[in-house]
Amino acid sequence: QVQLQESGPGLVKSSETLSLTCIVSGYSITSGYYWGWIRQPPGKGLEWIGSIYHRGSTYYNPSLKSRVTISLDTSKNQFSLKLSSVTAADTAVYFCARDVVPTAGFDSWGQGTLVTVSS
Amino acid sequence: DIQMTQSPSALSASVGDRVTITCRASQSISSYLAWYQQKPGKAPKLLIYKASSLESGVPSRFSGSGSGTEFTLTISSLQPDDFATYYCQQYNSYPLTFGGGTKVEIK
Repeated sequence: QVQLQESGPGLVKSSETLSLTCIVSGYSITSGYYWGWIRQPPGKGLEWIGSIYHRGSTYYNPSLKSRVTISLDTSKNQFSLKLSSVTAADTAVYFCARDVVPTAGFDSWGQGTLVTVSS
Repeated sequence: DIQMTQSPSALSASVGDRVTITCRASQSISSYLAWYQQKPGKAPKLLIYKASSLESGVPSRFSGSGSGTEFTLTISSLQPDDFATYYCQQYNSYPLTFGGGTKVEIK
C-alpha cells in the first residue's frame, strides 16, 4: 500500500523559502495520479496548496500561486514543495497526499509536519 | 473559486445517535465530493468519495448522499471512535476547496 512521509525544516525565518519533500513508498509516482500538498494552520481548517500530475503538469491555489512551486523527483520517488517569501500566516501543518482526481479526493496522506515561521 | 459551506460547525451527540452533517457548494459540483474524518494530531482520512461511494475499509455506518450543490454525511449509529472533525471537499474544479469542518463532540 502507498505510504507518504513529509520531511523538511520545522522552523523557517520570515521572508525565506519553505522547502518540504514528500517521500512516497509502495507506489511509483510515475505510474499515475496527482500528488498534492495541503496545509492546516493551528486550530483551523484545510487549505489545498497545489497538485502535480505524474507527467509533470501543475495546478496551484491562486491565493498562493505566485509563491508556490511543486516538482517531481522521479529518481527518488518523491515530490517537493517550495513556498517563497513566507510570513507568520504560513505557519501550519503541511500534509502531502495522493490526489486521485477525478475518481476521488485525497486517498492517502502523510502524517503531516508542522512548519513554524519565525521573525 | 467554489465555496464549500458546512453545517453545523460543531455538534454534541451521544453514542448510538444518528448524526447528519450538511455541505453546500456555491455552484454545482455534480457528484465530485469527498468526506474526510480528522482526529487531533492526525492526517485526514478519506471516508466517502463521489458523494456516496464508501472508501474501502470504512464502516458501513457512514454514508453520503447528494449531488449538485447539497450533500450530506450521515453516521447511522455514532460510535466512540467517531468523535472527530469532518470535512467535505469538492474536486469538480480547481482550486480544490474544503468546507470549514464539523466537530463532533461527546454529549
